[in-house]
Amino acid sequence: DTAVSQTPKYLVTQMGNDKSIKCEQNLGHDTMYWYKQDSKKFLKIMFSYNNKELIINETVPNRFSPKSPDKAHLNLHINSLELGDSAVYFCASSKGWGGNTEAFFGQGTRLTVV
Amino acid sequence: ELKVEQNPLFLSMQEGKNYTIYCNYSTTSDRLYWYRQDPGKSLESLFVLLSNGAVKQEGRLMASLDTKARLSTLHITAAVHDLSATYFCAMNAGGTSYGKLTFGQGTILTVHP
Repeated sequence: DTAVSQTPKYLVTQMGNDKSIKCEQNLGHDTMYWYKQDSKKFLKIMFSYNNKELIINETVPNRFSPKSPDKAHLNLHINSLELGDSAVYFCASSKGWGGNTEAFFGQGTRLTVV
Repeated sequence: ELKVEQNPLFLSMQEGKNYTIYCNYSTTSDRLYWYRQDPGKSLESLFVLLSNGAVKQEGRLMASLDTKARLSTLHITAAVHDLSATYFCAMNAGGTSYGKLTFGQGTILTVHP
């Protein structure tokens, strides 16, 4: 029973398209995140939601829009995709955002923009 | 801004040997995490270190935290091929970071016969 699940696992699309990645966690966690891993494996946070409220919004282009319909879901919508958006996107969740932030990660979505 | 730096970035080891991966960070904090990532896979939590002097061991891996030196180490004992992976340290700077993890660059470990 997967704790943090993302769909799709692979996404290949053309420049200019709009795409969404979905994430669900069944851990009962309050906080969810999106991280981006680039081609050099560097991981950087994009967004964080706590109880459906946006908490962290790093300097991410506004073409990226997260949406959290409930505590168990955090989706990522990307408009007007660019070549530089190609990366692996990881969803994660944690029990809290203060004292205990051990994050559990999904399997990742490999996005390739052609 | 919190910076987290690992070294080495690449580590090629022979089976049976010992080695240490270092993780330095720039601001005071007492929450450090080690993750493992296999190629094309997710990140797996290995250790959570929550206080100065914390030491945790799991199998051939041992992690420690020295908050005064702003240093964590991941020690590998008698490496085996199954340990080949990328290892990340990550920190939560606390305060108003709201759970934001800042990752090191990762150390790609290859264990060969």
